[in-house]
Amino acid sequence: KAGVTQTPRYLIKTRGQQVTLSCSPISGHRSVSWYQQTPGQGLQFLFEYFSETQRNKGNFPGRFSGRQFSNSRSEMNVSTLELGDSALYLCASTLGTGNYGYTFGSGTRLTVV
Amino acid sequence: GQSLEQPSEVTAVEGAIVQINCTYQTSGFYGLSWYQQHDGGAPTFLSYNALDGLEETGRFSSFLSRSDSYGYLLLQELQMKDSASYFCAVTFSGGYQKVTFGTGTKLQVIP
Repeated sequence: KAGVTQTPRYLIKTRGQQVTLSCSPISGHRSVSWYQQTPGQGLQFLFEYFSETQRNKGNFPGRFSGRQFSNSRSEMNVSTLELGDSALYLCASTLGTGNYGYTFGSGTRLTVV
Repeated sequence: GQSLEQPSEVTAVEGAIVQINCTYQTSGFYGLSWYQQHDGGAPTFLSYNALDGLEETGRFSSFLSRSDSYGYLLLQELQMKDSASYFCAVTFSGGYQKVTFGTGTKLQVIP
């Protein structure tokens, strides 16, 4: 079966712009989580969606938002981009809750200039 | 809050055994997971321990001691392709279950 698909793979944006990233989970997976990965910081949790509802949220400013659609596909949006938002954004899906084995997508590499 | 500690870098020889430790502090602990990430790649799930003891999957084993808030990943018969970053992650309760990742251990396997 198809894995977790994230689009686009690479993105270059200018400070102040906004960006939308997309994630299609594995078929049948209802939970989608987003992580930001930067060198030396590991994976920082952004938010988790389950059945179109945000269930968990990390400690990121309100410029970071997301949503999930009825087909479990998810999008995250970052508004008013800052240089520090440059990172690899990873999406992970699971059947339900908890961490019994995330399947990660290949990520979107965002560069803010 | 939650915190995890793991070594930032480890170097080991091909064919040898290496252990990557992870200590954590959290309330409402559910389990400890391990992920592997090659440079430029996505993290891939290796194991999940909810109970004390050793879980073995091929050349990889993972151990958990809940009383010591400690776990480790053991890699045997190291191969060059095992060179990667390894992350431990805790699942804990916080309303709905949540997951926090460590900052990762970069393993370099040398000939």
